Amino acid sequence: QVQLQESGPGLVKPSQTLSLTCTVSGGSIRSGGYYWSWIRQHPGKDLEWIGYIYYSGATYYNPSLKSRVTISVDTAKNQFSLKLSSVTAADTAVYYCARKSDGYNVFDFWGQGTLATVSS
Amino acid sequence: EIVMTQSPATLSVSPGERATLSCRASQSVSSSLAWYQQKPGQAPRLLIYGASTRATGIPARFSGSGSGTEFTLTISSLQSEDFAVYYCQQYYNWPPLTFGGGTKVEIK
Repeated sequence: QVQLQESGPGLVKPSQTLSLTCTVSGGSIRSGGYYWSWIRQHPGKDLEWIGYIYYSGATYYNPSLKSRVTISVDTAKNQFSLKLSSVTAADTAVYYCARKSDGYNVFDFWGQGTLATVSS
Repeated sequence: EIVMTQSPATLSVSPGERATLSCRASQSVSSSLAWYQQKPGQAPRLLIYGASTRATGIPARFSGSGSGTEFTLTISSLQSEDFAVYYCQQYYNWPPLTFGGGTKVEIK
């Protein structure tokens, strides 16, 4: 059973870069046709897809965030990461990493989520 | 961007009763529609994809229907563990992949 676990600072100052890492266990990040995703949930409960990456490095991003987002993968560590630059209070959210299923653009395994707060 | 609208925002249902949740897309998404369940403090869990196909391990009391712009998630007989927030997600026209605002199913 695949498991995902987010890690990273819970507090980020405005204008700085939010950096999170997702560690995948129970399976290789290189296996199958899976993409590895970041999704966030604002305090008001809305879910927002940020983007995802294939183990080869191919990425797809939400156009609304594309100018500030970088998702990268480290296959040796079985991890992928999110960097979101120039953050504001509007970026305060629970950030989830998730696996996009093979064949469908849906998310079948999720991490438990980590709260990132943007505040000075 | 396709906007997903869910209704009602809150649904009050007694245990054992049927719950019917709606999701509407701002333009056709064919059958590229998924449903998720989220309990407090937990990540969403995939219930349905392809508008009507249950994900692995999902009980048969959960069923999805619809195509185009109108979709329904039905829970045939609510169990205590089904009280949660439910989200729909379209994956027909992307990026971006988009989610609805959620329907909270609460105990009546």
